[in-house]
Amino acid sequence: AQSVSQHNHHVILSEAASLELGCNYSYGGTVNLFWYVQYPGQHLQLLLKYFSGDPLVKGIKGFEAEFIKSKFSFNLRKPSVQWSDTAEYFCAVTKETSGSRLTFGEGTQLTVNP
Amino acid sequence: ETGVTQTPRHLVMGMTNKKSLKCEQHLGHNAMYWYKQSAKKPLELMFVYNFKEQTENNSVPSRFSPECPNSSHLFLHLHTLQPEDSALYLCASSLTASNQPQHFGDGTRLSIL
Repeated sequence: AQSVSQHNHHVILSEAASLELGCNYSYGGTVNLFWYVQYPGQHLQLLLKYFSGDPLVKGIKGFEAEFIKSKFSFNLRKPSVQWSDTAEYFCAVTKETSGSRLTFGEGTQLTVNP
Repeated sequence: ETGVTQTPRHLVMGMTNKKSLKCEQHLGHNAMYWYKQSAKKPLELMFVYNFKEQTENNSVPSRFSPECPNSSHLFLHLHTLQPEDSALYLCASSLTASNQPQHFGDGTRLSIL
């Protein structure tokens, strides 16, 4: 069965630190990749997505992610985090053959200290 | 404002009660989804509807019964639930059920006594 792994369950950073959250998936076929963010008390929001083309994807709020097919990875990065980035981040994958059936990772709680 | 509205936001019910969760989307989407979010577990897809037709049931127990009367509304009818069903239930919608980004509601926090 397809799975999505997020290696870090809780990351704590100081403001201005660089961020990289890991995401690996197990499916070998064509996939579409997503990062969602859930700020405290708010709904899940799409941060960025990769369908095809340039494997380096830029999203909202200065986030970017790189799809490395050979490593089955789609890591999320931000060069300098802010206190307002404190949230839970979810990686998700759909297989090309399964439509919009999202498989989510466990989530990573990011805490940014001022 | 997400464009996907879920009611109620919180629900407490006994195991013998019958209640329903409601989801409404104002985005003109044709696909709607129910997810379950339990503590320390990944979001689990429960049901998918595409153009009002159920296209996926992810082995969900029959005590959860979805209903999609039109493309804008989705219900989850609950009866004789178990304590382990306590969770956040999220509704989402997308343009179609074909690799489109999903837009999520705020969820209904369900507690089973």
